[in-house]
Amino acid sequence: AQSVTQPDIHITVSEGASLELRCNYSYGATPYLFWYVQSPGQGLQLLLKYFSGDTLVQGIKGFEAEFKRSQSSFNLRKPSVHWSDAAEYFCAVGALRAAGNKLTFGGGTRVLVKP
Amino acid sequence: GAVVSQHPSRVICKSGTSVKIECRSLDFQATTMFWYRQFPKQSLMLMATSNEGSKATYEQGVEKDKFLINHASLTLSTLTVTSAHPEDSSFYICSALVHNEQFFGPGTRLTVL
Repeated sequence: AQSVTQPDIHITVSEGASLELRCNYSYGATPYLFWYVQSPGQGLQLLLKYFSGDTLVQGIKGFEAEFKRSQSSFNLRKPSVHWSDAAEYFCAVGALRAAGNKLTFGGGTRVLVKP
Repeated sequence: GAVVSQHPSRVICKSGTSVKIECRSLDFQATTMFWYRQFPKQSLMLMATSNEGSKATYEQGVEKDKFLINHASLTLSTLTVTSAHPEDSSFYICSALVHNEQFFGPGTRLTVL
């Protein structure tokens, strides 16, 4: 069974500082990996995804993530955080079509941005 | 990207009543949609997979008679919470599958009094 771990429940970062959110997954095959952001009371917005190819993935809003197969990780980074980046971030691993394309989400990391 | 809508965005109902939530794909057809439930400050938990023209597939522990899912067309899936109770209060989110990627609706906040 697939699983996702986001070790940090909360992260507080100063505006303008860099941000890194950790994500570790467990999956028996090459995974589809996703990062989503959720503002309070809202749905999920896709930041970026990895299916194959270049292991460094660029996303929207200046985010990037790196797939490291040897570490089973897909950490999200942003060089300079803006106050509007305060939100909940979810890492997810997607099963292949044969397994129903199901997504398994990590527990989420809440990011607080200090002025 | 593909746009998914949900209606209503929030609903308050009395205990014992049934509530229907709609999930629509606005600019594409979706053979497969998913329904998730999210409790406050928690992650999303998959409830069921909805396939157009066939019965939904429910995750372990989800009562199929409690949460009725209908996917009668390629653009609409509905989730009906039957005989709702306060413990059913939650944030319900749907998604539509397009080429191995899920596009999410904005969610529906259900409060059962």
